[in-house]
Amino acid sequence: KQEVTQIPAALSVPEGENLVLNCSFTDSAIYNLQWFRQDPGKGLTSLLLIQSSQREQTSGRLNASLDKSSGRSTLYIAASQPGDSATYLCAARNSGNTPLVFGKGTRLSVIA
Amino acid sequence: GAVVSQHPSWVICKSGTSVKIECRSLDFQATTMFWYRQFPKQSLMLMATSNEGSKATYEQGVEKDKFLINHASLTLSTLTVTSAHPEDSSFYICSASRPSYSEQFFGPGTRLTVL
Repeated sequence: KQEVTQIPAALSVPEGENLVLNCSFTDSAIYNLQWFRQDPGKGLTSLLLIQSSQREQTSGRLNASLDKSSGRSTLYIAASQPGDSATYLCAARNSGNTPLVFGKGTRLSVIA
Repeated sequence: GAVVSQHPSWVICKSGTSVKIECRSLDFQATTMFWYRQFPKQSLMLMATSNEGSKATYEQGVEKDKFLINHASLTLSTLTVTSAHPEDSSFYICSASRPSYSEQFFGPGTRLTVL
């Protein structure tokens, strides 16, 4: 059964800093992996989706990498801004018919 | 991208009553829908998987008689919380999927508060 772990659970950084959020998964035979953002009391915003055949995806200041062999993914945020403050969730999917399995998230605070 | 809606966005009810939450895929046919629950400061936990026209598959620990799921059409799934209690207060999020798309699309969530 797939399990997803995110480290750290919380992170506080000064504005402008580059940062990395970590995600690990136990079953390397994943179908895809997705990073989400969730603001307090709100739903999920999809940030990046990486297919199993891909090694990374980029969107603006965000870059997500995938290393299936080591069971790891990272989300890199460049030049962080206070508006980036949110909880970031990593989720892995094992097939097109099975649901995403979520990690517990990393709560990010970017201090102005 | 594909759009998934949920209704209502929030609901407050008295203990013992039943509440129905609707999840709709607005611009695609969802052969599979997933229901998740999120308690405060916790992650999303899968409750059940439903395929159109068949019975839902519930995760271990989720009472199927309490959380009734119906996926009667390719665009609509409903979750009914029967005889709700305060401990059922949570954020319920649905997700829809179809075979030709690898991505799961999420609704905006429904916040349930049981008094």
